[in-house]
Amino acid sequence: SQKIEQNSEALNIQEGKTATLTCNYTNYSPAYLQWYRQDPGRGPVFLLLIRENEKEKRKERLKVTFDTTLKQSLFHITASQPADSATYLCALGNNDMRFGAGTRLTVKP
Amino acid sequence: DSGVTQTPKHLITATGQRVTLRCSPRSGDLSVYWYQQSLDQGLQFLIQYYNGEERAKGNILERFSAQQFPDLHSELNLSSLELGDSALYFCASSVAERPDEQFFGPGTRLTVL
Repeated sequence: SQKIEQNSEALNIQEGKTATLTCNYTNYSPAYLQWYRQDPGRGPVFLLLIRENEKEKRKERLKVTFDTTLKQSLFHITASQPADSATYLCALGNNDMRFGAGTRLTVKP
Repeated sequence: DSGVTQTPKHLITATGQRVTLRCSPRSGDLSVYWYQQSLDQGLQFLIQYYNGEERAKGNILERFSAQQFPDLHSELNLSSLELGDSALYFCASSVAERPDEQFFGPGTRLTVL
């Protein structure tokens, strides 16, 4: 069955460091992969989309990679700030969207 | 503010009852998606409508149904409610038929007592 795994439930890092979140999947061939940010009690907010034929995408302090051979995406936040603290969801898309359980990132000052 | 509106914000009801959740997509968006998010299940895709037609179906129970109206707003109907249906229900919209960048509403928190 299709499975999407995000590396850990929670990740704590120090302000200024780079946060790296992992999304692995099995039994799925997504046409694209997305990352969303979700704050408690609120709807997810779209961050980045990367297609299957793209290796890397950047947006300001965010970088995402997509390796269809390894079936893995890495999501990086450089120069992290306490305001980056949130849950980050990866989502795989084809004809529908399937979300991972999320990683709760805490950036400590 | 994503531009997607959902009503009501909170809903408290009893088991066996039926409720309707409403969603208005962003102006210009033709696709509407419904998701259920509970603590133990994460964000689960339920169903997608594109320009009034059902486009994709996920883990939607038979007790649940949805529709998209000519003005593109959508309603999710939940019937014979059970305790386990308590969750946050999100609506999202996108321009295209494929689920590219989606804009999520603030959600409706349903509590079944």
